Amino acid sequence: NAGVTQTPKFQVLKTGQSMTLQCAQDMNHEYMSWYRQDPGMGLRLIHYSVGAGITDQGEVPNGYNVSRSTTEDFPLRLLSAAPSQTSVYFCASSYRQGIYGYTFGSGTRLTVV
Amino acid sequence: EDKVVQSPLSLVVHEGDTVTLNCSYEVTNFRSLLWYKQEKKAPTFLFMLTSSGIEKKSGRLSSILDKKELFSILNITATQTGDSAIYLCAIISYGGSQGNLIFGKGTKLSVKP
Repeated sequence: NAGVTQTPKFQVLKTGQSMTLQCAQDMNHEYMSWYRQDPGMGLRLIHYSVGAGITDQGEVPNGYNVSRSTTEDFPLRLLSAAPSQTSVYFCASSYRQGIYGYTFGSGTRLTVV
Repeated sequence: EDKVVQSPLSLVVHEGDTVTLNCSYEVTNFRSLLWYKQEKKAPTFLFMLTSSGIEKKSGRLSSILDKKELFSILNITATQTGDSAIYLCAIISYGGSQGNLIFGKGTKLSVKP
């Protein structure tokens, strides 16, 4: 049982490049979400999904896209990377939104130069 | 807008000391409050508190929620260097971001030998 798996662990991008951060869970969790963590800012919600085919925006969605075609996977796409997107990104999942505990992936450290 | 405020933002203590971390919140429709510990990687779950006045304990860590005064405390007794981490408080509401974790900025605890 792997839990929540995020890849890659580290990434450096040039401004304007696009990339996809992967998140996969094997716990049959309905709910999945993406957060970014910046120094002094805590964790802020980017996008979330309550089930396959359903996604919604969080607090800081601009510059990011998501999709949820399967229960297991919830990729986060950066369309045109900007230095302001330099951050640590965490994926979190839960069996059901708001009721059970949330499990976090180990994070992706992204640097945009 | 739902909000979580943690204090202090940072704290330095010596091994054996007892510390109290504070978390206050403003939320339209409170569901639960969660505490996480974050070392170098992903936040790891400590407690979920839903009912007021009921203490949750795990070893040297304990937490209690006061829904009337809208705050929670996390106590760590007989601190050890391994307790050094960022402690995150988050709430879940029934409101606009229902079911999503809304985090405070965290308290960075440093325990010196």
